[in-house]
Amino acid sequence: GAGVSQSPRYKVAKRGQDVALRCDPISGHVSLFWYQQALGQGPEFLTYFQNEAQLDKSGLPSDRFFAERPEGSVSTLKIQRTQQEDSAVYLCASSPLGGPYEQYFGPGTRLTVT
Amino acid sequence: DQQVKQNSPSLSVQEGRISILNCDYTNSMFDYFLWYKKYPAEGPTFLISISSIKDKNEDGRFTVFLNKSAKHLSLHIVPSQPGDSAVYFCAASGPRDDKIIFGKGTRLHILP
Repeated sequence: GAGVSQSPRYKVAKRGQDVALRCDPISGHVSLFWYQQALGQGPEFLTYFQNEAQLDKSGLPSDRFFAERPEGSVSTLKIQRTQQEDSAVYLCASSPLGGPYEQYFGPGTRLTVT
Repeated sequence: DQQVKQNSPSLSVQEGRISILNCDYTNSMFDYFLWYKKYPAEGPTFLISISSIKDKNEDGRFTVFLNKSAKHLSLHIVPSQPGDSAVYFCAASGPRDDKIIFGKGTRLHILP
């Protein structure tokens, strides 16, 4: 079956531009997570949805970062007024359960801010 | 402050031998531990996990050992195969927590 898909796979943005990153989770998966992975680092948690409810956004680094999942399926991570330090791979993961179990990751979107 | 530490950035092991990847953690509240494997340009893939009520979990060639008193876990791969060459992330989660805290990863090279 289809796994988690993310688009675009690569995005180059000029500093100050807004970007929107899309995640299509595995059909029927209740939980959806966003992580940020900087070069040479492990993924770092950004935010978590259970269905359409955003239950944890403690990892979002600033108010320039905003995530939504309005119908409990597709999710969008939006970054406003991008800065060079936002350059990273943004990973989306979905899970049929809540909690840290069975998180299936997408391939990520590599964002480069110039 | 890193709560999950993988102190070896890379490891090279001969094909057929045992690979041992190590991980230390600082948060004594963590009660669930995971290992993920990552190939270039792909997302991490779940490998194996262990709950803090156990000290060992085995799945085929992969075994994870947990030493709670030392706050240390390790992943053993035996025998190592060429397809095992990848970056391995150790990760942990606390009680009633949904998010996973990852280490920085260890790059494993399996030598022919």
